Amino acid sequence: GENVEQHPSTLSVQEGDSAVIKCTYSDSASNYFPWYKQELGKRPQLIIDIRSNVGEKKDQRIAVTLNKTAKHFSLHITETQPEDSAVYFCAAINTNAGKSTFGDGTTLTVKP
Amino acid sequence: KAGVTQTPRYLIKTRGQQVTLSCSPISGHRSVSWYQQTPGQGLQFLFEYFSETQRNKGNFPGRFSGRQFSNSRSEMNVSTLELGDSALYLCASSLEGGRAKDTQYFGPGTRLTVL
Repeated sequence: GENVEQHPSTLSVQEGDSAVIKCTYSDSASNYFPWYKQELGKRPQLIIDIRSNVGEKKDQRIAVTLNKTAKHFSLHITETQPEDSAVYFCAAINTNAGKSTFGDGTTLTVKP
Repeated sequence: KAGVTQTPRYLIKTRGQQVTLSCSPISGHRSVSWYQQTPGQGLQFLFEYFSETQRNKGNFPGRFSGRQFSNSRSEMNVSTLELGDSALYLCASSLEGGRAKDTQYFGPGTRLTVL
């Protein structure tokens, strides 16, 4: 079946530093790539997404880049804050087939 | 708009029993997907329903089933529960699922514990 590899599984950074999480997907038909943030005990919340016809998207401190040729996309968080600490999930979605595949998650810890 | 709701929020069952979980999508959303979340396995896709039809299915045994009603509410059923079924079950709704407006919004989940 299709899969998404997400790295690293854990990431610890100092407040103010940048954090980068990378995902690689296998289904070349994937055309939509959302990122979710899940705080402890809460539901996953969409934080940013990108579609296959876009190479980069930015929203304040968060940005996502997509390399369709390499089947690779990344989440970049700049000027990290303690409240950014959470588990982040990437997903690769084939909207034509309605298939969603999630990465295993990255636990981000931002130390004050 | 009210968000995705799931009931019950917590459930404790014993092995061999069956359980039914409920998900009410955001008003106007027609696609409902179900996921199993465990610490070791991450988010695993169970199935997706759209217009009362199962459109996609993940790699779970037949003990896991679901359905969707005409008002888009969905239920998931697990029969003959096993210890390994203990997990957080999340549902997510989106407008049309397989089309352009496909952002998924998650419910709070149902925490199932099998003893």
